[in-house]
Amino acid sequence: DSGVTQTPKHLITATGQRVTLRCSPRSGDLSVYWYQQSLDQGLQFLIHYYNGEERAKGNILERFSAQQFPDLHSELNLSSLELGDSALYFCASSRDRVGAEAFFGQGTRLTVV
Amino acid sequence: AQTVTQSQPEMSVQEAETVTLSCTYDTSESNYYLFWYKQPPSRQMILVIRQEAYKQQNATENRFSVNFQKAAKSFSLKISDSQLGDTAMYFCAFMDPLGGATNKLIFGTGTLLAVQP
Repeated sequence: DSGVTQTPKHLITATGQRVTLRCSPRSGDLSVYWYQQSLDQGLQFLIHYYNGEERAKGNILERFSAQQFPDLHSELNLSSLELGDSALYFCASSRDRVGAEAFFGQGTRLTVV
Repeated sequence: AQTVTQSQPEMSVQEAETVTLSCTYDTSESNYYLFWYKQPPSRQMILVIRQEAYKQQNATENRFSVNFQKAAKSFSLKISDSQLGDTAMYFCAFMDPLGGATNKLIFGTGTLLAVQP
């Protein structure tokens, strides 16, 4: 158990809909990262939040947004969903130390039908 | 842009044997970090080993060790005494801390390792 909790584990939704993925980081971790794993794109970094502030952005679509709340949990919002958004979405957290390893949650499997 | 290349999509090894997974990367930075993660069928991403680029000594974790060749930009993973539980997808990952701003990871495409009984 990595200590990172993601909910839900599975999500099936229709095209055009909006969903919210939730992540609780390990105790003591201020950084939360979101990654997308798909067959065609592999594992891609989406966005990094540190203590409520956005630190870095990767290949995140404009239809996607994220935030980190005062209790440090994070949410990834995906809207106007398309079939191609079907993927495994991982949340990871790390300590506030340069080069700190990331610990991953179990992921949310999103299927858009 | 930094890139990570894993040229072996699939590999197979007999139980108790040794196997080496290859990884190369491209960067102009001198200070960075490298990782190997494994993803078993449960799909959980599990950290295997971590290497700091400014340390010449190769990292080891029990049966897992790396061969880090900084000049060649190579970072291979050696698994000794392979066990059935080592069957997984293995991802090589690069981290350029960007002066401490972020510890985001850039992943390779993965190597699917099958350990045969």
